[in-house]
Amino acid sequence: EDKVVQSPLSLVVHEGDTVTLNCSYEVTNFRSLLWYKQEKKAPTFLFMLTSSGIEKKSGRLSSILDKKELFSILNITATQTGDSAVYLCVPSGGSNYKLTFGKGTLLTVNP
Amino acid sequence: GAVVSQHPSWVICKSGTSVKIECRSLDFQATTMFWYRQFPKQSLMLMATSNEGSKATYEQGVEKDKFLINHASLTLSTLTVTSAHPEDSSFYICSARVRLAGGPGEQFFGPGTRLTVL
Repeated sequence: EDKVVQSPLSLVVHEGDTVTLNCSYEVTNFRSLLWYKQEKKAPTFLFMLTSSGIEKKSGRLSSILDKKELFSILNITATQTGDSAVYLCVPSGGSNYKLTFGKGTLLTVNP
Repeated sequence: GAVVSQHPSWVICKSGTSVKIECRSLDFQATTMFWYRQFPKQSLMLMATSNEGSKATYEQGVEKDKFLINHASLTLSTLTVTSAHPEDSSFYICSARVRLAGGPGEQFFGPGTRLTVL
């Protein structure tokens, strides 16, 4: 059975802190790993990772994938209150690129 | 970035009626669209996978006669909740996978539709 485990489940930090969110996964016929941010509505796309060791960056966010260890991390530097959300690590697999969702990490950034 | 829209955003209906939710990819063609349901404070649950021009593939435990999916074109998929009951009240989200030859393709989510059945 495909699964994804994110840690920590919940994290509270102060503005300006740097956070690292962890994700381990097991997926049959792995295709890619996607990170999403979910606030009150549907998830918004952050990154798609397909190759190991290549860091993807977007502003203060960055992410990297280790396909050998089945692991990915999402880093957020200089956090802001607007970063407060649930962050979802979502592997895709199979011929239909089916996504497997875990519980996510709830990040709360306090002013 | 790619945009996926859903209509309506919010619907309230009486028990026993049917509700149709549309999912459109606005600026790209989507070979595959997915329908999810999310209950409060829970993760998204995949209901079905929809490929353009073919029948949807439903996940275990999802009634295909109750949740009718039609993927008529590369930019439109619809989910019809038939004979809705209060327990069908949920947040329904679609996603669309960008059509890329030989590539995994990114998946983008619509904004979701909140269904409340009275």
